[in-house]
Amino acid sequence: DAKTTQPPSMDCAEGRAANLPCNHSTISGNEYVYWYRQIHSQGPQYIIHGLKNNETNEMASLIITEDRKSSTLILPHATLRDTAVYYCIAAPITGANSKLTFGKGITLSVRP
Amino acid sequence: DTGVSQDPRHKITKRGQNVTFRCDPISEHNRLYWYRQTLGQGPEFLTYFQNEAQLEKSRLLSDRFSAERPKGSFSTLEIQRTEQGDSAMYLCASSLPHEKGVTEAFFGQGTRLTVV
Repeated sequence: DAKTTQPPSMDCAEGRAANLPCNHSTISGNEYVYWYRQIHSQGPQYIIHGLKNNETNEMASLIITEDRKSSTLILPHATLRDTAVYYCIAAPITGANSKLTFGKGITLSVRP
Repeated sequence: DTGVSQDPRHKITKRGQNVTFRCDPISEHNRLYWYRQTLGQGPEFLTYFQNEAQLEKSRLLSDRFSAERPKGSFSTLEIQRTEQGDSAMYLCASSLPHEKGVTEAFFGQGTRLTVV
């Protein structure tokens, strides 16, 4: 599985956009980029995933660079409840290796 | 609530004792995963099942750990002769198979194990 690297932490003001970066320079053509988040004392929660096109859902937007070596998760209007650890994961499309490999993630702190 | 359910939520045990955790996945999810998470780290993969078949085991899963999913529904994770290093959050997740591989995984709230 491709390894991803994320800054350890960042913060943003409530109501502003939070842009969370992720590098996955060794990603292979058959790997998706997934984002999960984990609020304190809870299990991880799926946010969004993409292959090469930008994606948007009710929670966030995912921007993937054309070379697929990096991506950015965008929370358009961060709230205090978005304070969490966010994990960027590169996972293969096919085969028996279907597990998610988590790194340490990035801790997002949303300040009032 | 039709999410992934884990029992118990908390377990305190003495070193050397055996413990067993249970995970009930979302109905019709044929993939089930176990992860372990220690403080300040992301979840670490332990093992996963597709239906009742255990398809992959991490080298983290020592001989003291065993997981089962006898009828392809709920799963149990047993730790024998617990050690203080086993203290962690044990997370279970389930997902549907996707024709193109990994799909959205739904996680339970976890079982927090403390070995004293």
